[in-house]
Amino acid sequence: KQEVTQIPAALSVPEGENLVLNCSFTDSAIYNLQWFRQDPGKGLTSLLLIQSSQREQTSGRLNASLDKSSGRSTLYIAASQPGDSATYLCAVPIQTGANNLFFGTGTRLTVIP
Amino acid sequence: KAGVTQTPRYLIKTRGQQVTLSCSPISGHRSVSWYQQTPGQGLQFLFEYFSETQRNKGNFPGRFSGRQFSNSRSEMNVSTLELGDSALYLCASSLGPYTDTQYFGPGTRLTVL
Repeated sequence: KQEVTQIPAALSVPEGENLVLNCSFTDSAIYNLQWFRQDPGKGLTSLLLIQSSQREQTSGRLNASLDKSSGRSTLYIAASQPGDSATYLCAVPIQTGANNLFFGTGTRLTVIP
Repeated sequence: KAGVTQTPRYLIKTRGQQVTLSCSPISGHRSVSWYQQTPGQGLQFLFEYFSETQRNKGNFPGRFSGRQFSNSRSEMNVSTLELGDSALYLCASSLGPYTDTQYFGPGTRLTVL
């Protein structure tokens, strides 16, 4: 059974710092992995999707990497800003080729001005 | 292009009642998935629909049901509400039935008293 773990559960950093969020999964037979952010009481915003054949994806100040063999993904945020404060979630498909995601526990990020 | 919309945004019900939540996907998207988010269990997959057919169902009791209409709009119904059903219910849409970027709505906050 797939398990997705995100460590740390919470993180506070000063503005401008570069940071890394971690996501670990137990079943490496994943089709892809997605990173989302969620603002308090709001829905999820898709940040990056990495296909199983890819090693990384970049969007602006965000860079996500995927290492299937070790069951790990990282989300790198460069030059953090207060607006980056949110909960970050990683998710993998429950079934290959289906739109049903298994979510990690999330990392709550606070960027201090 | 308008995003995923969910109605209503907030609901208060009492135990034993039933509730219907609605989701309108992004125009052109034919796949709709539903998720339940609670502080204790995190985000959990409920159902996935494509072309009016339920493709996958999560591990929830039969009190939770859903359907999709020919215009891709979807509804989910919870009968005989329990206190534990209090949660944020999120709907996500994507273009097709295969694992792709999912776009989430703002959610419906259900409180069961």
